[in-house]
Amino acid sequence: DAGVIQSPRHEVTEMGQEVTLRCKPISGHNSLFWYRQTMMRGLELLIYFNNNVPIDDSGMPEDRFSAKMPNASFSTLKIQPSEPRDSAVYFCASSSPRENNEQFFGPGTRLTVL
Amino acid sequence: EDKVVQSPLSLVVHEGDTVTLNCSYEVTNFRSLLWYKQEKKAPTFLFMLTSSGIEKKSGRLSSILDKKELFSILNITATQTGDSAIYLCAAPNSNYQLIWGAGTKLIIKP
Repeated sequence: DAGVIQSPRHEVTEMGQEVTLRCKPISGHNSLFWYRQTMMRGLELLIYFNNNVPIDDSGMPEDRFSAKMPNASFSTLKIQPSEPRDSAVYFCASSSPRENNEQFFGPGTRLTVL
Repeated sequence: EDKVVQSPLSLVVHEGDTVTLNCSYEVTNFRSLLWYKQEKKAPTFLFMLTSSGIEKKSGRLSSILDKKELFSILNITATQTGDSAIYLCAAPNSNYQLIWGAGTKLIIKP
């Protein structure tokens, strides 16, 4: 298995632009998590899905952030409009009860908003 | 409110020293505690602990859980510069959401 796949790996954009981060979970995993990591705040859970349904989005910082999971093999995290303080590494992770709910992380997307 | 607290926040030691990292938790319907190592990329899994008093070992790393006192420790013996990383502990809550500690930044000096 290729593991969790995220794209792009790096993105640099200007303030005000729309940013879309993509994630393909491990096949067969039914939970998907979006995290944000910064030096100041550490690793934060933004939202997680179970069987494609958003379960808890209380970590989503503002209305500018939205996430979708249209099917079991794809999820997006969108920021519109982006701001410099959104600069961070965004991780996607997936898990399955058959694997003790261990979360397997993707390589992350490093986002820089100028 | 579920929480996981790690200490210390950062630690600097010399190569060859032994370190102990601490993780305490308050999680509803506790099932397990996980330790991760994070270098410059995504966290990598180290241990999952579910039972009290049973030590898990992987090379120079070991970890144990105390469900009575609600904490876990991660030990690293004969530290090497490659052990420098952020060590994270986390516990899933009743909704399978991982509650993360802030991490311990470990720096090993040659």
